[in-house]
Amino acid sequence: EAGVVQSPRYKIIEKKQPVAFWCNPISGHNTLYWYRQNLGQGPELLIRYENEEAVDDSQLPKDRFSAERLKGVDSTLKIQPAELGDSAVYLCASSLIGVWDTEAFFGQGTRLTVV
Amino acid sequence: ELKVEQNPLFLSMQEGKNYTIYCNYSTTSDRLYWYRQDPGKSLESLFVLLSNGAVKQEGRLMASLDTKARLSTLHITAAVHDLSATYFCAVVPRNFGNEKLTFGTGTRLTIIP
Repeated sequence: EAGVVQSPRYKIIEKKQPVAFWCNPISGHNTLYWYRQNLGQGPELLIRYENEEAVDDSQLPKDRFSAERLKGVDSTLKIQPAELGDSAVYLCASSLIGVWDTEAFFGQGTRLTVV
Repeated sequence: ELKVEQNPLFLSMQEGKNYTIYCNYSTTSDRLYWYRQDPGKSLESLFVLLSNGAVKQEGRLMASLDTKARLSTLHITAAVHDLSATYFCAVVPRNFGNEKLTFGTGTRLTIIP
């Protein structure tokens, strides 16, 4: 079974440019997370979807970040315009809510460098 | 707001030794997860702990959960070099409908031959 797939794996952009990340969760998983991980730190939640609904976006910097989850499956995370401080690894994860022993499975991440 | 703290943040230990990583959290929870992350890689799930007193073991790693003390431990027995990685605990609060997974600060473990 395929895991969580993210693309691209690496992205280098100049500040003020837009960038987008894509995530395909594990088939059947109804919950999708976007996390940001700064160097040497733990992942921090940006947004969580249950199906196509964003149920927790309190940590998403809405002035420049946006996200969508089309038809409750794939998701994209966009930054426009990017700032130097956005350099980080962006991780997508998915899980199946409604199952008590559910766990979140993570993709390989997209390493963003803003120069 | 849920806070999850790990200690130590950095741990350097010799092969063959035993050690414990601690994870404290600030709110009621019955669900705690341990993940491993190798440099430049994503997070790999190690253990899912779902009740007070839960204990799980895989190879040289054993994790336990004390929900009353809001504490989980990850014990390493007779460490080997392959265990060098960063270990994270993550907690889901006991609020129905809130599936927010909050991570600790991580413990960077280095096993010295």
